[in-house]
Amino acid sequence: DTGVSQNPRHKITKRGQNVTFRCDPISEHNRLYWYRQTLGQGPEFLTYFQNEAQLEKSRLLSDRFSAERPKGSFSTLEIQRTEQGDSAMYLCASSLSGYGYTFGSGTRLTVV
Amino acid sequence: DQQVKQNSPSLSVQEGRISILNCDYTNSMFDYFLWYKKYPAEGPTFLISISSIKDKNEDGRFTVFLNKSAKHLSLHIVPSQPGDSAVYFCAASEDFGNEKLTFGTGTRLTIIP
Repeated sequence: DTGVSQNPRHKITKRGQNVTFRCDPISEHNRLYWYRQTLGQGPEFLTYFQNEAQLEKSRLLSDRFSAERPKGSFSTLEIQRTEQGDSAMYLCASSLSGYGYTFGSGTRLTVV
Repeated sequence: DQQVKQNSPSLSVQEGRISILNCDYTNSMFDYFLWYKKYPAEGPTFLISISSIKDKNEDGRFTVFLNKSAKHLSLHIVPSQPGDSAVYFCAASEDFGNEKLTFGTGTRLTIIP
């Protein structure tokens, strides 16, 4: 197992387009998290899943953002009608029952 | 509202000396604290943690100290090595196993050979 995998590593999109990111967690981990990091800031919590259930969402996650984790395995984060303020690093992490996050390398989104 | 604060954006330390990274928090509900290390182009990596029932936790060269009354924690690295050069994030949660971590803004540590 090579850890948490995120694809793509980089994404450049035009304002108003939709984008989707994928996260493949460590296989035995039942919990999956999405965070967002902007320049000069620490990661900010967006949402988390236990198996396939989305258990908490941050106020940061506007209606344009949606996350899914079908069958409790990989997860996708979709941003609709992207805005320049969405430009950030999107980090995924997984854990086993909340103990010890393992982060992926992130997807860097640039909205032009 | 920055609930976890790392007031030093950067720190330079001579190799072999002690590195001390500081973190302050404002939320009295925080009960569990963690330090993460981040290299460029990689995700943060868990380093060490401490529960509020302790005031010190040690793991090899890394020691975390918690002063709950002052709402302050620090990470000591001794001796510092060139591979320790990275950005260090302090994070907190309201209890062990809580799913949401609140991170500070990070301190860039540079170890000078």
